[in-house]
Amino acid sequence: LAKTTQPISMDSYEGQEVNITCSHNNIATNDYITWYQQFPSQGPRFIIQGYKTKVTNEVASLFIPADRKSSTLSLPRVSLSDTAVYYCLVGALGGGADGLTFGKGTHLIIQP
Amino acid sequence: SAVISQKPSRDICQRGTSLTIQCQVDSQVTMMFWYRQQPGQSLTLIATANQGSEATYESGFVIDKFPISRPNLTFSTLTVSNMSPEDSSIYLCSVVSDNEQFFGPGTRLTVL
Repeated sequence: LAKTTQPISMDSYEGQEVNITCSHNNIATNDYITWYQQFPSQGPRFIIQGYKTKVTNEVASLFIPADRKSSTLSLPRVSLSDTAVYYCLVGALGGGADGLTFGKGTHLIIQP
Repeated sequence: SAVISQKPSRDICQRGTSLTIQCQVDSQVTMMFWYRQQPGQSLTLIATANQGSEATYESGFVIDKFPISRPNLTFSTLTVSNMSPEDSSIYLCSVVSDNEQFFGPGTRLTVL
């Protein structure tokens, strides 16, 4: 499974746009890129998933360059409630038969 | 989508005892996973529990310590046996539905 590298932590302020970049140099042809959010004392929650180019939903955007060796999660106009750990994962769609492999994640702290 | 509930939500146990964690899903799913999340750490896959087959354990996890049952497509149990303080973690159940992996709220276990 491809490994991912992302910043351990990030700080930002309410109303700002936050971009979290993830490196996955060994991503396989069949791998998808998925981002999860986890609040304390809760299980991870799916945010967004993509294979290439750009994906946008009501929560975030995901930018994937042509070589797919990295991806950027973009959170528009963050609020205090966006403080959480964000995990970047690569693997088969839906995790496949082996489930998703989690890296260390990025601790995002939003300040007033 | 899939909604997952776990029981108990938390427990405090004495070393040497065992605890069985239940995972209930609101829909039938084939693939189910059990993860462990130690304090301040990321998630680590314990085992894959697909209905109709024996659970498959990841390196470092053995059936004698973490026996798993999967009697049907909506339910599974994970037992943490002969507990020690090192087993203090959050244990999460996860399923795949419609090519997305969903997570339960977790069971917070503290071993004294």
